[in-house]
Amino acid sequence: DVKVTQSSRYLVKRTGEKVFLECVQDMDHENMFWYRQDPGLGLRLIYFSYDVKMKEKGDIPEGYSVSREKKERFSLILESASTNQTSMYLCASSPGGGTNYGYTFGSGTRLTVV
Amino acid sequence: KNQVEQSPQSLIILEGKNCTLQCNYTVSPFSNLRWYKQDTGRGPVSLTIMTFSENTKSNGRYTATLDADTKQSSLHITASQLSDSASYICVVPRRPTSGTYKYIFGTGTRLKVLA
Repeated sequence: DVKVTQSSRYLVKRTGEKVFLECVQDMDHENMFWYRQDPGLGLRLIYFSYDVKMKEKGDIPEGYSVSREKKERFSLILESASTNQTSMYLCASSPGGGTNYGYTFGSGTRLTVV
Repeated sequence: KNQVEQSPQSLIILEGKNCTLQCNYTVSPFSNLRWYKQDTGRGPVSLTIMTFSENTKSNGRYTATLDADTKQSSLHITASQLSDSASYICVVPRRPTSGTYKYIFGTGTRLKVLA
């Protein structure tokens, strides 16, 4: 069963900590994405990557960075966690070549920053 | 402005009843529209994709419609079940003038089915 796996379902971190969220996909997809989801705001794109070592900023990249050293793994880094980064984080992947394939999402990581 | 708007925001129905969720979009040019189902605490899962030339598509008890002229889509759920309780999200890709596609997400409709 093909899937996108996020390393943690729930995470609690302190303000100022450096936080790593890991995402691994086993579908050999070119594209990978990080979103955050907040009530009433829907999914907002943080960063995405369409190839190894390539990354592009999404709509809300401030306070975040990413790393894609291998095709199957896309990491989201909160350099110095703040309470306004408390959210549900969703990783997704898709094959290249257009939009008809859609996303495969991970189960999400609910991050609480205290 | 490229937007995707969904209504209602939330909906409560009794098990066995039908319901219809709406999605209006202004994304242009249009290529396709996808409906996702998101169970509480989980990631979204694709239900169906509607391309420009399709008017209706069914996936079990889920039927999606698309009117490309009015830029509206609906998701009709027949004979609802408790497991249909979830958020339903409408997504339309937008092709920028350069670079890769971006996906415009609606804020979703939260459906609650009661026994």
